[in-house]
Amino acid sequence: DQQVKQNSPSLSVQEGRISILNCDYTNSMFDYFLWYKKYPAEGPTFLISISSIKDKNEDGRFTVFLNKSAKHLSLHIVPSQPGDSAVYFCAATSYSSNTGKLIFGQGTTLQVKP
Amino acid sequence: GAVVSQHPSWVICKSGTSVKIECRSLDFQATTMFWYRQFPKQSLMLMATSNEGSKATYEQGVEKDKFLINHASLTLSTLTVTSAHPEDSSFYICSARGQSLYEQYFGPGTRLTVT
Repeated sequence: DQQVKQNSPSLSVQEGRISILNCDYTNSMFDYFLWYKKYPAEGPTFLISISSIKDKNEDGRFTVFLNKSAKHLSLHIVPSQPGDSAVYFCAATSYSSNTGKLIFGQGTTLQVKP
Repeated sequence: GAVVSQHPSWVICKSGTSVKIECRSLDFQATTMFWYRQFPKQSLMLMATSNEGSKATYEQGVEKDKFLINHASLTLSTLTVTSAHPEDSSFYICSARGQSLYEQYFGPGTRLTVT
């Protein structure tokens, strides 16, 4: 049972354009969502997060949008840069579980072309 | 700050042997650490939650006798893959929880290859 899904395995965009990565979840208990960036043979690095009490969070070129009714979140990167090329994972957790466990999606490989 | 290291970064071992992987939080204390494994082109799958001074909590389907976890101090957790088999070959990643329930800082991972 895949509780967090990233249905697009890959995405290719031109440098300077917007990258939009999508993520869907099924568990309505999730109340906190995170995006991680990962290079091959390295651990994930935290990018940005959003609480379920918000619908948008912005940090520089990165903005995460949350649509609770649709159980959908997206990461926007504007403008995209070649250095953004990596695998992006969304993750979800439930504060009420008090475990801090993260459930990850399958990842989307972003390629930003110069 | 919030640096997590793993050692070794890669290891090759023969089938039937045991391998220990260390996870250290270098500049903060972590009462909770998590162990994940990742197969090629797949998601990070949580294996277990490691709490300092107590037994680890394993996810469903993870053999606790095969994947031994010890969290002896606030800065060190170890994962021992016992009697390794080729199907245990994978990328193992640990993370350490920070002050906030939601903060997790990941190590660089360990590539295990069992021949």
